[in-house]
Amino acid sequence: DQQVKQNSPSLSVQEGRISILNCDYTNSMFDYFLWYKKYPAEGPTFLISISSIKDKNEDGRFTVFLNKSAKHLSLHIVPSQPGDSAVYFCAAGYNAGNNRKLIWGLGTSLAVNP
Amino acid sequence: NAGVTQTPKFQVLKTGQSMTLQCAQDMNHNSMYWYRQDPGMGLRLIYYSASEGTTDKGEVPNGYNVSRLNKREFSLRLESAAPSQTSVYFCASSPSGRAWETQYFGPGTRLLVL
Repeated sequence: DQQVKQNSPSLSVQEGRISILNCDYTNSMFDYFLWYKKYPAEGPTFLISISSIKDKNEDGRFTVFLNKSAKHLSLHIVPSQPGDSAVYFCAAGYNAGNNRKLIWGLGTSLAVNP
Repeated sequence: NAGVTQTPKFQVLKTGQSMTLQCAQDMNHNSMYWYRQDPGMGLRLIYYSASEGTTDKGEVPNGYNVSRLNKREFSLRLESAAPSQTSVYFCASSPSGRAWETQYFGPGTRLLVL
């Protein structure tokens, strides 16, 4: 039972266009959402996050949108660059006292073509 | 600044052999984590250590033990390796273990159990 779902295993876009990566979650307790990027043979690196009290967070070319009613978030990359080609993981978490939970999606492999 | 380092980078074991994966961080972080990533799966938490002297089970702890040797080091031990433990293992650290904190990952250890 996947609590965090990235339904598109892969995505291909042209350089300069927008990349939209989607993530759905099922657990209403999640109150923080993060996106990580992973290149081959490297560990994931943090990209951008958003808390449940916001519906948008922007950092340069990267924007994350959160729709709590739909339990859906998306990562927009504008404009896409070849160096953005990587696997993107969505993760959702909550804190409940000493109980910390961070659940990861399966990832979406993004290819940005020159 | 080394960040999170892991040794070894790659290991081949025979079923039943034991080994210890080493992880160290130089960021003075309190919390450390061990994940595994299998093909087609997201990152799954094996064990974590919220602070020096404490360890807790994650989603998939069976077959593993951990030791938080000191603030810097967190090791993962396979007492009797099984083919199902073939995976890529990532160590990560974060300042204090809250779900919204950025986790900093090492480059991973690729383990093959024959």
